[in-house]
Amino acid sequence: DADVTQTPRNRITKTGKRIMLECSQTKGHDRMYWYRQDPGLGLRLIYYSFDVKDINKGEISDGYSVSRQAQAKFSLSLESAIPNQTALYFCATSDFRQREGTDTQYFGPGTRLTVL
Amino acid sequence: RKEVEQDPGPFNVPEGATVAFNCTYSNSASQSFFWYRQDCRKEPKLLMSVYSSGNEDGRFTAQLNRASQYISLLIRDSKLSDSATYLCVVQSQGAQKLVFGQGTRLTINP
Repeated sequence: DADVTQTPRNRITKTGKRIMLECSQTKGHDRMYWYRQDPGLGLRLIYYSFDVKDINKGEISDGYSVSRQAQAKFSLSLESAIPNQTALYFCATSDFRQREGTDTQYFGPGTRLTVL
Repeated sequence: RKEVEQDPGPFNVPEGATVAFNCTYSNSASQSFFWYRQDCRKEPKLLMSVYSSGNEDGRFTAQLNRASQYISLLIRDSKLSDSATYLCVVQSQGAQKLVFGQGTRLTINP
């Protein structure tokens, strides 16, 4: 079974609709992230959470909100979807190890969202 | 200026060739550096971390030049399976989050 799962894998919706993307992990990591990927722009951070009570905005949080329901679950919402939110969305977890200075990220398979 | 910049390519090289990518970063406080690999329509996966002294993992060699603020990835004896997009990733001390380059697309031709 995959360690980081995302649902749905593909979604087509209309402008103005509310959409929720869900992410679950079985790795036991405290840190979770939401990114979007657009051609030519790479991965951009939307929101991140270092534990259940911690939520932080990334570089492109406008138009998005998140909820960290449990250590294993981190969901991303688009309150009113617009066409320029059409993108590939990735959830990730990480295992931060201060002594080693490492913070390897493990990505889910991605959700392809199209907003018409 | 983007915080992490890569040549997007595409690089098309014959099987068996050696290929090198560079990546520059603008934040001099950056402390940790990585190369991730992303196959078409798949998620990124860690290829290797980049250490100050340079490091090697089989056919892959990563190097860091702090003075010039760039990192490099060298692939020797390239295989068809090396075809992918390679993402340069930088983390600043204290920032506790990663900044990704746009990726360099590599295609190995038979």
